[in-house]
Amino acid sequence: GQQLNQSPQSMFIQEGEDVSMNCTSSSIFNTWLWYKQDPGEGPVLLIALYKAGELTSNGRLTAQFGITRKDSFLNISASIPSDVGIYFCAGPYTSGTYKYIFGTGTRLKVLA
Amino acid sequence: DTAVSQTPKYLVTQMGNDKSIKCEQNLGHDTMYWYKQDSKKFLKIMFSYNNKELIINETVPNRFSPKSPDKAHLNLHINSLELGDSAVYFCASRPTGVNEQFFGPGTRLTVL
Repeated sequence: GQQLNQSPQSMFIQEGEDVSMNCTSSSIFNTWLWYKQDPGEGPVLLIALYKAGELTSNGRLTAQFGITRKDSFLNISASIPSDVGIYFCAGPYTSGTYKYIFGTGTRLKVLA
Repeated sequence: DTAVSQTPKYLVTQMGNDKSIKCEQNLGHDTMYWYKQDSKKFLKIMFSYNNKELIINETVPNRFSPKSPDKAHLNLHINSLELGDSAVYFCASRPTGVNEQFFGPGTRLTVL
């Protein structure tokens, strides 16, 4: 079945560093969503992408919709301690539906 | 001003028991979801209701039965609980035509 694989699985970084993570799929997606889950809470949407090649920013976060439509990338610039959490990519199983598959997650830990 | 709320926050119970988790959203959304997050943090869709009608029913044991008394509420009843049911269960809601889901804080279910 469909799977969204995220890389890296986890990372420790120093405060102030930039972070990059990606999400890959074996099939094409027409929508990519990036969520963040803080410890003990539910995921919160950070960025939504709808077009191949699209680059969208939300503060220090920038996400890109890969041109193959099989991948997406999330960058965080100048990380701060509150960036700690799990970052999930997600997308609809089938284009035009609202049934979502979530990626395996990237766990980010920021060292002050 | 809570958007999506779940009760209880924690639930510890014995194998074989029957339990319910409740979810309410005050956002006026038509669509609600139940997700299961396992110990490895994989987030998997279970059910979705649109305006009280079941529209997504994933491969979930029939011991799990969702109920939506109105579009603001989606409850999850679990019969004959098993050890493998231990997880965090998230409720989410979504406005019509939009990909963003709003997640509740989760219910951590522990089956002993």
